[in-house]
Amino acid sequence: NAGVMQNPRHLVRRRGQEARLRCSPMKGHSHVYWYRQLPEEGLKFMVYLQKENIIDESGMPKERFSAEFPKEGPSILRIQQVVRGDSAAYFCASSRGTGNYEQYFGPGTRLTVT
Amino acid sequence: AQSVTQPDIHITVSEGASLELRCNYSYGATPYLFWYVQSPGQGLQLLLKYFSGDTLVQGIKGFEAEFKRSQSSFNLRKPSVHWSDAAEYFCAVGGVGQAGTALIFGKGTTLSVSS
Repeated sequence: NAGVMQNPRHLVRRRGQEARLRCSPMKGHSHVYWYRQLPEEGLKFMVYLQKENIIDESGMPKERFSAEFPKEGPSILRIQQVVRGDSAAYFCASSRGTGNYEQYFGPGTRLTVT
Repeated sequence: AQSVTQPDIHITVSEGASLELRCNYSYGATPYLFWYVQSPGQGLQLLLKYFSGDTLVQGIKGFEAEFKRSQSSFNLRKPSVHWSDAAEYFCAVGGVGQAGTALIFGKGTTLSVSS
C-alpha cells in the first residue's frame, strides 16, 4: 500500500516564479493537510482540504498561496511570485478521517528560491 | 492558545543507554498527542499516539510515552537507544485549527547517539 506521495521532491525557483507542489494521499484517505517547515522550526499547519473543498485555511498566508484538492487527481499547493522567504520544506499529510485518526506524512517537497 | 514545548533542542545519548525526550503542551481539553520522528531529508513517521484510555502508550521501534495530565506532559522514552535512533523527534497535539483537525508541533529535539 503506497504511502503519501509528493512531487517534486526538490524544486528550485527564481524569485517571482510560480511553484506548484503536488500531493497524492494514501489510498482510502480523503483528508489532506499541508504543513510548512522552516529551517530549525517545527511544522506549521497551512491548510486542510477534502475533495473539492477547503475546510480550514487558517494557516495560509493571505497572499500568493492557494491550495486545491480536485475530485480527480492530487492536491496542489500553489505559490505565486515566490520570494526567498518561501524557501522551506512543504509536507503533505493525509488521514482517513478527523478526530482520532492519525495523519500520515509524505516525504516533503524542498523548495529553494534563488 | 494551544502550544507544544520541547525544552531540549539537542540531546546526546550513548548507544545502549536509556532515553527520555520531554514534551509539554497547553490545551484546553483532553488532547490528542503524537510523537513523530524525522530522519534527515525525510518525511515524518508516526511513532505513537495518545487519544484516551491507558496513559502509557506503546509505539513502534521500542518507544513508549506517558501522558500525565497533571503535568501537561507527554514524554517519550526508550530503554536502550540504538545508533539508528539518531534523528529529530517532534511532539504534536491534535484537534486544533478552525476545523479542530490540524496538528501543532513543537520545534523538535535532535537526538545524537554516541558509540
